[in-house]
Amino acid sequence: DVKVTQSSRYLVKRTGEKVFLECVQDMDHENMFWYRQDPGLGLRLIYFSYDVKMKEKGDIPEGYSVSREKKERFSLILESASTNQTSMYLCASRPGGEGGNQPQHFGDGTRLSIL
Amino acid sequence: AQSVSQHNHHVILSEAASLELGCNYSYGGTVNLFWYVQYPGQHLQLLLKYFSGDPLVKGIKGFEAEFIKSKFSFNLRKPSVQWSDTAEYFCAVNARTNAGKSTFGDGTTLTVKP
Repeated sequence: DVKVTQSSRYLVKRTGEKVFLECVQDMDHENMFWYRQDPGLGLRLIYFSYDVKMKEKGDIPEGYSVSREKKERFSLILESASTNQTSMYLCASRPGGEGGNQPQHFGDGTRLSIL
Repeated sequence: AQSVSQHNHHVILSEAASLELGCNYSYGGTVNLFWYVQYPGQHLQLLLKYFSGDPLVKGIKGFEAEFIKSKFSFNLRKPSVQWSDTAEYFCAVNARTNAGKSTFGDGTTLTVKP
């Protein structure tokens, strides 16, 4: 069974800090994703990566960056955390397939609070 | 740009009632369609998917969905809900020509009363 592991379930940081959220998948999936989930707004795509060192902006990339140095690991970076980045962050992975015809596998999420 | 609209934000049903959750998408090209479910305290998981063939697809736990291309719709149905179906449901679209980028709807919270 696919396992997507996010490094923290809960995280509290201060405004202005640089924050790293880590995600590891164990199924050799090519594609990885970072979303934020807010009540009433569903899941919004921040960044995705379709291969090592490849990344593409999603719908809300401002204030975030990502790193994918190894296939199994996809990191989300908040360059200078702000209170409006308080949210639930979800990582997902998916096999490479034609036009994304494979489902995504999600981690448990990281609930990040910025004080 | 692709978008997904889920019409019902919160649905409350009694056990054994029938369920239909609406999902419409906006995209002119070929798409792959998914329904995901998030049970309380758990991660999102796949309920069912469509990418070709029979437009009526069956998923886990008695759920099914019908893809109607002319209506850009992919509605989720279950003939008789159970208390354990209480969860949040998300419709998602992957546009095949857009590197399979995924767009999710805002979600529908289903509460089933025992």
